[in-house]
Amino acid sequence: GAGVSQSPSNKVTEKGKDVELRCDPISGHTALYWYRQSLGQGLEFLIYFQGNSAPDKSGLPSDRFSAERTGGSVSTLTIQRTQQEDSAVYLCASSPYFSTDTQYFGPGTRLTVL
Amino acid sequence: AQKITQTQPGMFVQEKEAVTLDCTYDTSDQSYGLFWYKQPSSGEMIFLIYQGSYDEQNATEGRYSLNFQKARKSANLVISASQLGDSAMYFCAMREGSFGNEKLTFGTGTRLTIIP
Repeated sequence: GAGVSQSPSNKVTEKGKDVELRCDPISGHTALYWYRQSLGQGLEFLIYFQGNSAPDKSGLPSDRFSAERTGGSVSTLTIQRTQQEDSAVYLCASSPYFSTDTQYFGPGTRLTVL
Repeated sequence: AQKITQTQPGMFVQEKEAVTLDCTYDTSDQSYGLFWYKQPSSGEMIFLIYQGSYDEQNATEGRYSLNFQKARKSANLVISASQLGDSAMYFCAMREGSFGNEKLTFGTGTRLTIIP
């Protein structure tokens, strides 16, 4: 079946603008995760959804970042008033149910803030 | 303190040789899981292998095996008979926490280059 998909694949925006990143998990997967990967770095955990609820938002770097998930499927990560330090690849992953399951990653969205 | 430590930022290995990528971890949880992911230049994270903290046998998946030494808190990845396509970044990760409050923490990665 289809894997995790993310859109857009690339986003270039001006400092101060809002951006919205989308993640479509693997069908039937109830757990969904957002990570950020800065150039040459490892992955930084942002937020985890179990169904539509987010039990752990502790990784969100600031109140400019928010995420939601509707219908237990698609998730959107919104960054308001983007800053240059927000430039990174934003990766989404899903797993079948328990977060103990293996996570399957999407191709990522490369965000560049000018 | 770092939760996951990968001490080899880069490695060069001759094709067909075996390679060991180091990973040590730090947790006070009794139940945790260890993962290895491969990230080729395309950017996608590819799951390779998983080891649960209570698993007594070392995990194996084809050419990949995980050398799990619990007392030393190490979870090294061994790739046998390396191939050119193995050139990529490799990340070790650890899942810890109780259900509904889990986190996956990644190391900084090792860039593996296979030389023909």
